[in-house]
Amino acid sequence: DTEVTQTPKHLVMGMTNKKSLKCEQHMGHRAMYWYKQKAKKPPELMFVYSYEKLSINESVPSRFSPECPNSSLLNLHLHALQPEDSALYLCASSPQGSIQPQHFGDGTRLSIL
Amino acid sequence: GIQVEQSPPDLILQEGANSTLRCNFSDSVNNLQWFHQNPWGQLINLFYIPSGTKQNGRLSATTVATERYSLLYISSSQTTDSGVYFCAVALGNMLTFGGGTRLMVKP
Repeated sequence: DTEVTQTPKHLVMGMTNKKSLKCEQHMGHRAMYWYKQKAKKPPELMFVYSYEKLSINESVPSRFSPECPNSSLLNLHLHALQPEDSALYLCASSPQGSIQPQHFGDGTRLSIL
Repeated sequence: GIQVEQSPPDLILQEGANSTLRCNFSDSVNNLQWFHQNPWGQLINLFYIPSGTKQNGRLSATTVATERYSLLYISSSQTTDSGVYFCAVALGNMLTFGGGTRLMVKP
């Protein structure tokens, strides 16, 4: 689903670095999501934003900090990550509500050294 | 939380063969989606199908919500169909994925 754009596509960072993942959609969707996917596993929900407000946090460690500056943008700020945080991070959006389909970006493949 | 189980976990097909993938879920849901994740990690929407039957080219899907299962049917498979097929169900705003079916289509 190329209507959700994620940058960067790949990111390698050390455990002491601070970096951010970016997600953008211009479909007028009002719900946005972050998922984490480890190798050979299904995606797992991390955060849900609804109308730019955080509505679900699936007990994610505080070294992951989401931000929704406006209805089109979703960021994930990373700080002091661990090697086990290496994964594919997927962003998704949906019009709003559980009856609407979610559209996924191509993901950011993150490696922690 | 809701449980989503997919079968089979792995499938190897010869090009041109047909196959049926199954998704069982443990509770009533508002939404069900089928995705194909290609070898590059892209998660591609195949169907949004909370109930009924839909077809798109060689693919079709059927969801029987009252019996809590969905089927994805792939006909005349091609090597480009290889990858992992996920079903995912929504309760509220939370999308829960099944474990996936890993499909390899051999030429």
